[in-house]
This record gives sequence, C-alpha cells and structure tokens, in this order.
Amino acid sequence: DAGVIQSPRHEVTEMGQEVTLRCKPISGHDYLFWYRQTMMRGLELLIYFNNNVPIDDSGMPEDRFSAKMPNASFSTLKIQPSEPRDSAVYFCASSSQGARSYEQYFGPGTRLTVT
Amino acid sequence: GENVEQHPSTLSVQEGDSAVIKCTYSDSASNYFPWYKQELGKGPQLIIDIRSNVGEKKDQRIAVTLNKTAKHFSLHITETQPEDSAVYFCAATATNFGNEKLTFGTGTRLTIIP
Repeated sequence: DAGVIQSPRHEVTEMGQEVTLRCKPISGHDYLFWYRQTMMRGLELLIYFNNNVPIDDSGMPEDRFSAKMPNASFSTLKIQPSEPRDSAVYFCASSSQGARSYEQYFGPGTRLTVT
Repeated sequence: GENVEQHPSTLSVQEGDSAVIKCTYSDSASNYFPWYKQELGKGPQLIIDIRSNVGEKKDQRIAVTLNKTAKHFSLHITETQPEDSAVYFCAATATNFGNEKLTFGTGTRLTIIP
C-alpha cells in the first residue's frame, strides 16, 4: 500500500483565498483524522471521521474551516477565507478499528503558507 | 479532557548513550499510551505503545514504562544512534469508551551527537 496520500505537499496562498487540502487514506481504514502542527501549539486534532461520518469536530478552530469525506477513499479540508495565522503543516492520518491497535498512519503533510 | 505534558522539549545525547523522555497525563481513564517519532519533513510514525495493564514494554533498543498511580510514562532509548535524531511525541487516550482521539504531548527534539 502507498500509505496515506496528501496533496498538495506545499501550498502558498494570499490572505483571503480559499485553500483545499486533500487526503487519500489507506485502503480499508475506517477512521480518518485531520491534524494541524505548529511550533506554538504542537499537534492539534481538528476533526475525525468514522466510516465517512464526522465524529468529533471540536478541534476545528472556527467556521472558516470545513472538512468533508464524500467516500471512504477521499477527504478534504477547506479553509475559506484563509488568514496568515492558518500557516502550519496539516496532516491527515487513518486507522483501522478492526485491527484494534489504535495505530494512526500519518501522511507526509501539507505545508500551508498564507501571506 | 485529557492533558499531556512532555519533558524535556529538547535533548542532546552522545551517540551510544541513553535518552529518556517523560510524559504525564491528567485523565485517570486513559489506558493507551503510544509514542510517535517524526523525522524531518515526514509525518509522525508509531514506534511503540503500551496499555494500562502493562508496566513496561521493550522492543530492541526502545522501551516504555508506565506508572498509572503517578500518571506518568517514559520512553527509553538505549545505545542511541544518529538515526534516532528526530522529534518524539507521547500521546494518551481512553480506548474503552470507543474513543479514537489521541491527545499528544508537545514533542521532544532529540539530537544524537556523533
């Protein structure tokens, strides 16, 4: 398996623009997580899905952030409008409840820079 | 909710020496404690984990210990090598409530000095 795939790997955009980050989880995994990593706040869970359904979005910073999972093999995280403070590395991770190992497999991340 | 504190934030050790990273957690219901390693430009990767019914677990040069009474757990790396240089994160969660969320510590940047 190719592992968790994220695109783009780097994104530079201007304040006010819409940004869409994409994630393809490992095939067969039924949990998908979106994290944000910054020097100041570390690794923060934004939202997670189980079987394509959002379970906990309490980490989503504000209404400018939204996430969808239209099917088992694709998820998006959208920021609209973007602000400089959204600059961070965004990770997608997936796991399999069936394995009961609780291991989360992380993608390589998307480095977002908002100018 | 759970709060995980991790120390130290940076650690430098001579190659061949041991490294120890410590974490404390707040929620007594937490029963699963993984450790992730993040190399530069990559996502975190699980290296070892421990459940609350076990006090210690080893895997070659790495080991994790858990003290449930004191609510702390530690990562031990022996005979350190240059490839051990990375950022290490501890995490905690209570799995028996069907909870899949991990609360991560703030990370420790480990540097192995050749």
